[in-house]
Amino acid sequence: KQEVTQIPAALSVPEGENLVLNCSFTDSAIYNLQWFRQDPGKGLTSLLLIQSSQREQTSGRLNASLDKSSGRSTLYIAASQPGDSATYLCAVMDDYKLSFGAGTTVTVRA
Amino acid sequence: DAGVIQSPRHEVTEMGQEVTLRCKPISGHDYLFWYRQTMMRGLELLIYFNNNVPIDDSGMPEDRFSAKMPNASFSTLKIQPSEPRDSAVYFCASSYGRSNQPQHFGDGTRLSIL
Repeated sequence: KQEVTQIPAALSVPEGENLVLNCSFTDSAIYNLQWFRQDPGKGLTSLLLIQSSQREQTSGRLNASLDKSSGRSTLYIAASQPGDSATYLCAVMDDYKLSFGAGTTVTVRA
Repeated sequence: DAGVIQSPRHEVTEMGQEVTLRCKPISGHDYLFWYRQTMMRGLELLIYFNNNVPIDDSGMPEDRFSAKMPNASFSTLKIQPSEPRDSAVYFCASSYGRSNQPQHFGDGTRLSIL
């Protein structure tokens, strides 16, 4: 059974600092890895999807890397803003099902 | 383009009552997923459909839970009878394709069973 771990569980940084969020998974036989954002009382918003054959994906200030062999992914958010405050979830797809980590709750202080 | 629409947004009911949650996926999407989110267990996949056909329901916790997708634009998740431990946020998501496209989530139904 795939286990997905996200460290740290919570993170508080001053505005402008770069954010580094970590995700690890136990079974490297994955189809893809996805990063989501969840705001309080809302559903999940897909941020980035990395196929198993890819090493990274970028969208604006967001960059996600994937090292399948070591079972790790990192989400970088450059020049953080208060609007980046949310919970970020990592999910891996294997056997065509998504397994989610517990998330990292980020607070960006103005 | 409208996203995934779920109703109701909030449901409070007494133990033993039947609960029906509804979902309208994004038009053109051929996969539909039902998830449950709790503090203790995080996000768990309950069941998913492809072209209206249930593919994997191994995440459905008990026979009290059932899901249907009568057509491409509508799905229901039913709990009968409901129990306090069913209290959670239930999400519906849809996608086009299974492994190369992101899933799009609705805003969820917050269910409280008293």
